[in-house]
Amino acid sequence: DAGITQSPRYKITETGRQVTLMCHQTWSHSYMFWYRQDLGHGLRLIYYSAAADITDKGEVPDGYVVSRSKTENFPLTLESATRSQTSVYFCASTTGLYNEQFFGPGTRLTVL
Amino acid sequence: GESVGLHLPTLSVQEGDNSIINCAYSNSASDYFIWYKQESGKGPQFIIDIRSNMDKRQGQRVTVLLNKTVKHLSLQIAATQPGDSAVYFCAENKIQGAQKLVFGQGTRLTINP
Repeated sequence: DAGITQSPRYKITETGRQVTLMCHQTWSHSYMFWYRQDLGHGLRLIYYSAAADITDKGEVPDGYVVSRSKTENFPLTLESATRSQTSVYFCASTTGLYNEQFFGPGTRLTVL
Repeated sequence: GESVGLHLPTLSVQEGDNSIINCAYSNSASDYFIWYKQESGKGPQFIIDIRSNMDKRQGQRVTVLLNKTVKHLSLQIAATQPGDSAVYFCAENKIQGAQKLVFGQGTRLTINP
């Protein structure tokens, strides 16, 4: 029972490079989410998806791109990484019927 | 603007005592309020939620109280254990189904032996 996984768990990159963070869930949940967590800001929603091929912006979408061609995968791409995108990124999923979201273990991204 | 925030960033209690974590919110349109627990190095984990038409809801060792008059939410943890040490976040949602949760900044709870 894998649940929700994220890869890589740690990533160091340089300013201007493209980075893709992967998220995979095995529950066939309709909804998937990407959050970033920074000290002093708690969790902030970047993008979310209600189903395959349906995505929408959250609170802080600038500089990020998402896609959802398959229900189980929801990759997050930083097209040109900036230092301000150094953060811990969490993916989450839910059925959409209840308030409980299931979070992955997170990816710690450092942009030098 | 809309915000969900916490009164105290840190809370330290003795093992076995009860803990109360507070949260203030400003968006009266929110219909659900949720508490999450985040242990070090892990993703947040759902604890309990409450709908705006309720003022109290109980779970296992936890109770959430909602005071809509003063826009205040609290999480009470009974007989705290070392495993309760974590950061606790409140969040709000306008519609059940967990779209676009707005999280507060979190309170770190430390349990002293």
